[in-house]
Amino acid sequence: EAGVAQSPRYKIIEKRQSVAFWCNPISGHATLYWYQQILGQGPKLLIQFQNNGVVDDSQLPKDRFSAERLKGVDSTLKIQPAKLEDSAVYLCASSLRDGYEQYFGPGTRLTVT
Amino acid sequence: TQLLEQSPQFLSIQEGENLTVYCNSSSVFSSLQWYRQEPGEGPVLLVTVVTGGEVKKLKRLTFQFGDARKDSSLHITAAQPGDTGLYLCAGFYNAGNMLTFGGGTRLMVKP
Repeated sequence: EAGVAQSPRYKIIEKRQSVAFWCNPISGHATLYWYQQILGQGPKLLIQFQNNGVVDDSQLPKDRFSAERLKGVDSTLKIQPAKLEDSAVYLCASSLRDGYEQYFGPGTRLTVT
Repeated sequence: TQLLEQSPQFLSIQEGENLTVYCNSSSVFSSLQWYRQEPGEGPVLLVTVVTGGEVKKLKRLTFQFGDARKDSSLHITAAQPGDTGLYLCAGFYNAGNMLTFGGGTRLMVKP
């Protein structure tokens, strides 16, 4: 069974630029999560989708971050404009449904200079 | 301030030694999970504990959930270089659905 796929794996941008990350969850998984993991810290949930609806986005900085899961499968996370403090690994995870085991992708390492 | 505090933050030991890492909170968790994360990879679930006082074993790893469901420990017996990685605890707080992670313990096992 294929795992959670993410791209790109690495991205370097300058502050005030825009960036987008893509996630393809495990087939059949209804719930999709985006986490931000700053170096030396544990992952922090940014947004959770159930199919194509948002369940929780309370920790998403909505002035610059946006995410969508239009067809209830793939998802994109966008940052516009990026700040230095956005440098982190962005992890995507999926689960069969809410509350079930989460499977994580390898992450996208973002460096903002 | 993190809801889940992990200690120690860093641990470097020799192969064959035993170790214990801790995950503490002032809040009650409905369940608690332990993950291991290797460089360049996402976290991988090791175990979920649900009942206060519960003990689970996974080969050389022993996980315990505190009686009050506010803390947990992970004990590794006879550590091996393959155990090297970042160990994260995470919990569902107050029966909510948002998984909250601790800051992690970075373990290095030297051959």
